[in-house]
Amino acid sequence: DTGVSQDPRHKITKRGQNVTFRCDPISEHNRLYWYRQTLGQGPEFLTYFQNEAQLEKSRLLSDRFSAERPKGSFSTLEIQRTEQGDSAMYLCASSSKRGLLGNSPLHFGNGTRLTVT
Amino acid sequence: GESVGLHLPTLSVQEGDNSIINCAYSNSASDYFIWYKQESGKGPQFIIDIRSNMDKRQGQRVTVLLNKTVKHLSLQIAATQPGDSAVYFCAERAGSGGTSYGKLTFGQGTILTVHP
Repeated sequence: DTGVSQDPRHKITKRGQNVTFRCDPISEHNRLYWYRQTLGQGPEFLTYFQNEAQLEKSRLLSDRFSAERPKGSFSTLEIQRTEQGDSAMYLCASSSKRGLLGNSPLHFGNGTRLTVT
Repeated sequence: GESVGLHLPTLSVQEGDNSIINCAYSNSASDYFIWYKQESGKGPQFIIDIRSNMDKRQGQRVTVLLNKTVKHLSLQIAATQPGDSAVYFCAERAGSGGTSYGKLTFGQGTILTVHP
């Protein structure tokens, strides 16, 4: 499978615990994105990496959230002191820079569904 | 703020019919639009995209139409099949400069149900 891979698929945690999700992008893609999706809504942008550099962060990304992409390949998203409002699907996507005009389409993984009890 | 929205939250069609899913956007600076299909328990799957310098683009059984005058986007699916049943999202990218490449703003989604 050469698509975007996310792990775990599901995570149930108690309020106040820390959780970490992993994303492995398509191997030749240098751009990586994290989105969050709640039931019945479209995905919302959280943050974006080009190679190992985190270039943009949404205001949705509170200081309890941190994302890394240390070697420009896989990425992790950590949520500290989880709250019930953090319950959502966390989606990772990747793309490659295509010429000078922009991006290839974003290719999404199947997400990590987080439930905070 | 700027947003992308859909006219119809649900659409039911018979197998073999053509489907049209509509989307309105409000950001005149958007230069790129994309349609995704999302099945239950899966991530969004790319269908087709279009740049703002085009008004029509065709793929396999799908056509995207862009009307910049009224800020309207549509997805046409020909000969709709039960396997097309899913939630369909339109998304836009605001501008092409700086670090916003690939940052998409999604609409709410339309549920397409195809009856055999």
